[in-house]
Amino acid sequence: KAGVTQTPRYLIKTRGQQVTLSCSPISGHRSVSWYQQTPGQGLQFLFEYFSETQRNKGNFPGRFSGRQFSNSRSEMNVSTLELGDSALYLCASSWGTSRGVQYFGPGTRLTVL
Amino acid sequence: GQQLNQSPQSMFIQEGEDVSMNCTSSSIFNTWLWYKQDPGEGPVLLIALYKAGELTSNGRLTAQFGITRKDSFLNISASIPSDVGIYFCAGLAGGTSYGKLTFGQGTILTVHP
Repeated sequence: KAGVTQTPRYLIKTRGQQVTLSCSPISGHRSVSWYQQTPGQGLQFLFEYFSETQRNKGNFPGRFSGRQFSNSRSEMNVSTLELGDSALYLCASSWGTSRGVQYFGPGTRLTVL
Repeated sequence: GQQLNQSPQSMFIQEGEDVSMNCTSSSIFNTWLWYKQDPGEGPVLLIALYKAGELTSNGRLTAQFGITRKDSFLNISASIPSDVGIYFCAGLAGGTSYGKLTFGQGTILTVHP
């Protein structure tokens, strides 16, 4: 069974631009969670989608948004990029139950200049 | 955001030695997970724990879900060079905390041949 895939793997943007990252979950998984990983803050939860609905959201500004499609693929968008948005963005998929183990993709490395 | 207290932050050991690391929290979790991350990649699931007191092994790895549901530990026996990486604990609170893993700061493991 194919794992979680994320595209693109690397991205360089400048301040003020916006970016869209994509995540394809493991086949059959209906939940996708997004995380931001930085050296200073570690792994921080952004949001979770299940069957096209956002069920949970972390403490990030409204510039961070996401959506999920009917095939469970998910995208996250960051608008008006800031230097501090430079990070590894990880998505993880699971069955979506309350004890659902999450499987991570390889991540998208975003650099904001 | 909240993070689990993971220790030690780093370990330098000789090949063949055993390794122990642990995670504590002020909150209760329904699921404890242990992941390993290599540079530039996403975390890879090592062990999942679902019940207080549960002891689970995966090859040379053994992990336990603390009885209070506020802690967990991971042991690696007879370490080998490919054990090098960053190990993360993560907790899933359940209930309405859909898809939200709370992570420890990570333990950086270095194994000298």
